[in-house]
Amino acid sequence: EPEVTQTPSHQVTQMGQEVILRCVPISNHLYFYWYRQILGQKVEFLVSFYNNEISEKSEIFDDQFSVERPDGSNFTLKIRSTKLEDSAMYFCASSDPGQVFDRCEQYFGPGTRLTVT
Amino acid sequence: AQTVTQSQPEMSVQEAETVTLSCTYDTSESDYYLFWYKQPPSRQMILVIRQEAYKQQNATENRFSVNFQKAAKSFSLKISDSQLGDAAMYFCAYKGAQKLVFGQGTRLTINP
Repeated sequence: EPEVTQTPSHQVTQMGQEVILRCVPISNHLYFYWYRQILGQKVEFLVSFYNNEISEKSEIFDDQFSVERPDGSNFTLKIRSTKLEDSAMYFCASSDPGQVFDRCEQYFGPGTRLTVT
Repeated sequence: AQTVTQSQPEMSVQEAETVTLSCTYDTSESDYYLFWYKQPPSRQMILVIRQEAYKQQNATENRFSVNFQKAAKSFSLKISDSQLGDAAMYFCAYKGAQKLVFGQGTRLTINP
């Protein structure tokens, strides 16, 4: 069964450093998402991406964040200058709006745990 | 903006018993989807069950079923014959056009 993959599984970085989190969505999917979950809290939407542009973003997704689909398979989240409060689990998800039955479902990757020290 | 509320931070149940997790949501949209996700200690998000708002019939997946009350904006999850492997955080989620909006979660403990 196809699945969303994310690398690395755990990233430790120093405050002020740039990090890039990588995701490989399911190959025929067209919508891509990033969510984050601070430890002990709920999962929060960051951004959605379709047709090579951001389709929606939350207030969390400020100028420090950017997303990119550099090639036909990867989808990345960049944080330019990390802060302590960026420490969280980051989930990538993808969905396929082309199949009526499954168009509502977002398939989640296993997450990248980001620790900012 | 849509909101999702899970009023039970923690629940516990005896193995083999039935437990119901509550979820309410607020929306002005008429077409949407509702989900329950399970998050074990690995923190992977696992889809448990989904419900399309236009369907009156409650969704069922093996031991998992929902009670969807559209007028009341309520979407509870019932787990029958609870098993030790059901222990996890459970998140209720709403989806309108694109993004998922999650509740705060309910931590479910299964007592052997």
